[in-house]
Amino acid sequence: EAGVAQSPRYKIIEKRQSVAFWCNPISGHATLYWYQQILGQGPKLLIQFQNNGVVDDSQLPKDRFSAERLKGVDSTLKIQPAKLEDSAVYLCASSWERDSYNEQFFGPGTRLTVL
Amino acid sequence: GNSVTQMEGPVTLSEEAFLTINCTYTATGYPSLFWYVQYPGEGLQLLLKATKADDKGSNKGFEATYRKETTSFHLEKGSVQVSDSAVYFCALSDQSGGYQKVTFGTGTKLQVIP
Repeated sequence: EAGVAQSPRYKIIEKRQSVAFWCNPISGHATLYWYQQILGQGPKLLIQFQNNGVVDDSQLPKDRFSAERLKGVDSTLKIQPAKLEDSAVYLCASSWERDSYNEQFFGPGTRLTVL
Repeated sequence: GNSVTQMEGPVTLSEEAFLTINCTYTATGYPSLFWYVQYPGEGLQLLLKATKADDKGSNKGFEATYRKETTSFHLEKGSVQVSDSAVYFCALSDQSGGYQKVTFGTGTKLQVIP
């Protein structure tokens, strides 16, 4: 079974520029997550989709971050404009349905550096 | 809200030493508990899980028991190998508002030396 795909793997931009990340979850997984992982910290949930609807975006900085999930499959996360503190690894994960015992499957992440 | 507290790293052990990484949690409901591992240059992957009190999760020689009375889920391995060097994350998941809500700890870096 193919895993969670993310692109790009690395991105370097200057502050105030915009950037977009793409994620393709495992086929059939209804739930998709975007996390921000700052160096030395655990993943922090930015947004969670159930199919193509948002169920939790309470920690998403909505003035600069946006995300969508197209037709309940692929998803994109955008930052506009980027700040220095956005430098982090952005992880996408997916899981079956919404039960609490379901494990999450993670992609390799996108490492963003904002200069 | 929910929270997960892990022992701070890095933890440095010699090969074949015994490993314990402490994890305690705070949750209002009845969460499932997980250990994820992140090997250098790779994404997070599930190591083991337990879904109810007194359950023991195990995989690759690692074990953790869901202790509701002490709200803990400590990770143990009897004899570590160099290949176990990685960052280990404790996490909990529960149902909140009809969907799965996951909370991660800050991670514990393990370095095993030959």
